[in-house]
Order: sequence, then structure tokens, then C-alpha cells
Amino acid sequence: QVQLQESGPGLVKPSETLSLTCTVSGGSISGYYWSWIRQPPGKGLEWIGYIYYSGDTNYNPSLKSRVTISVDTSKNQFSLKLSSVTAADTAVYYCAKGGWELVAWGQGTLVTVSS
Amino acid sequence: EIVLTQSPGTLSLSPGERATLSCRASQSVSSSYLAWYQQKPGQAPRLLIYGASRRATGIPDRFSGSGSGTDFTLTISRLEPEDFAVYYCQQYGSSPPTFGQGTKVEIK
Repeated sequence: QVQLQESGPGLVKPSETLSLTCTVSGGSISGYYWSWIRQPPGKGLEWIGYIYYSGDTNYNPSLKSRVTISVDTSKNQFSLKLSSVTAADTAVYYCAKGGWELVAWGQGTLVTVSS
Repeated sequence: EIVLTQSPGTLSLSPGERATLSCRASQSVSSSYLAWYQQKPGQAPRLLIYGASRRATGIPDRFSGSGSGTDFTLTISRLEPEDFAVYYCQQYGSSPPTFGQGTKVEIK
């Protein structure tokens, strides 16, 4: 069964770039879509975007100008970069398998934006 | 984008009772591309239902989904202690995929 694990800094300064990586184990990243979703503390879920293993992407229009999702099939990883962050970007960030229905999720990682 | 409104916000029930959760979309969800997720405190969401009515792998048959167009329902036939959690609906028929605000099922 596929497992996903997010990694990256838990604290990012305002105006800087948030960078997270999701490592996929127990299965190949090839042939599938992979997504990022976030959840501000105590709030609901927001879809950030997805990437196909070939590199095709689709982003939430509300974040599109600041988001880049990339994939490294040789490492079985995909990554998220979110630029020009503010306190409103403080959230638990999840990676997941799937571009539409999300069939498996990482445990999530809290990223706090603060100086 | 499609806005999903879940009701009620909180459902207070006892173990063994039936839970009925509603998800209403601001416009028709194409091809019934609607999913339901369960989230427990401190955990990631877990896919329960996709395609409006198809149970995900390993999901007990006490969970069922129904509906089409703009109105969808998640039913838990008999609540088990482990079912008390927050439930989210998600549409993925049009981009961007969107989630409802969640329904909390709590122990009465």
C-alpha cells in the first residue's frame, strides 16, 4: 500500500518561499496524479494543485500565481513551492495520491508563517 | 468554482444510531464526481466514498453515498464509536476541486 510523507521547514518568514517535498513509498509515482492540499488550523480543506507523473500540472486559480508543483520520478518524490507567503498561508499541508478523488494521504506537516 | 454547503454543521448522535449528512452544490456536479472523506483529530482525511456512491477500498458497508446533480448524501447506517469525526464532501467534476466546510458528528 502506498505511503506518503511530507518534509520541509515548519517555519517560514513572511514574503519568503515555502518549500515542501512528498516522498512516495510502497509504489511508483509513475502513472498517477499527485496533489497538494492544505488546511489552516481549525478550518476546512483547500486544494492547491496536482501534477501528473509526466509533469503536467493544474493549480487552484486562487494560488496559481504563487504555486509551482514539480515531480522527480527518479526519487519517487514530488514537491510544492509557494512564494511570497503571508500569515494566511499558515496551515497543515498534505500531499496525496490522485488528482481528483484523493485515495491516500500523507500525515501532513504544519507550516507556520511568522517572522 | 463550485461551492459546496454541508449540513448540519454538527450532528449529535449516539452509537448505533443512523447518521445522515447532506452536501449541496451551487451548480450541478458533472458525472457525479463527488467524494466523501472522514477526518479524525490530528489525522489526515481518509477517502470513504467516490463517484457519489462507490465505497473506497476497505471502507465498511455501513457507509453509503447517494445523490446526483446538486444534492448528495452520506449515510452511516449504525454509528460505531470510531465513526465520530468530521466529514467533508468534495466535488471534482470541475476545476478547481472544492470541499465543503465539514460536518462534525459528535457523541450525544
